[in-house]
Amino acid sequence: GEDVEQSLFLSVREGDSSVINCTYTDSSSTYLYWYKQEPGAGLQLLTYIFSNMDMKQDQRLTVLLNKKDKHLSLRIADTQTGDSAIYFCAESGANNLFFGTGTRLTVIP
Amino acid sequence: GAGVSQTPSNKVTEKGKYVELRCDPISGHTALYWYRQSLGQGPEFLIYFQGTGAADDSGLPNDRFFAVRPEGSVSTLKIQRTERGDSAVYLCASSPDGTGGNTIYFGEGSWLTVV
Repeated sequence: GEDVEQSLFLSVREGDSSVINCTYTDSSSTYLYWYKQEPGAGLQLLTYIFSNMDMKQDQRLTVLLNKKDKHLSLRIADTQTGDSAIYFCAESGANNLFFGTGTRLTVIP
Repeated sequence: GAGVSQTPSNKVTEKGKYVELRCDPISGHTALYWYRQSLGQGPEFLIYFQGTGAADDSGLPNDRFFAVRPEGSVSTLKIQRTERGDSAVYLCASSPDGTGGNTIYFGEGSWLTVV
């Protein structure tokens, strides 16, 4: 079955770049997503990438996809304290999304 | 409404009781999903509706869990004979038509605690 893996924790200093990594198993996934979850809140879609792309940039966010290695990363430039949250990588299945366990990003002022 | 609305936002129930969780999707969205998120985990798929029918219920953990969407809009997730292991956040999401891309929107979840 599908398996999405992420490291559990990441700490960065305010103003630095953050890079959150994810590996997935289903090479047939059409879309790969990054969601943000703040404490006590639902999931907010940050960005997504179509599987035939290798990079997507959206303001401070850059998504890199290495389809050969099934590796996805999210880079946040100029990380701010408001970026502190849990970030989930997800791959698309036939009718749903498969999520990783999430990476808790802590931004140190 | 503007977004996916879920009620109740919090529910504490005793072991063995019956619970209903409600989801009101974005108006006009034909696809509706239920996920369960346990503490420290990512969301896990439960069931997917396309219109009124359950197109994929492969994620429901056992027959104590059931969901309906009788008019193709509001959905109710029903849990019978609750167990402590059912404690989790139950997330609902909707999508215009169930296809991929940037179109899956999540509610804030219903936090269920079984004591």
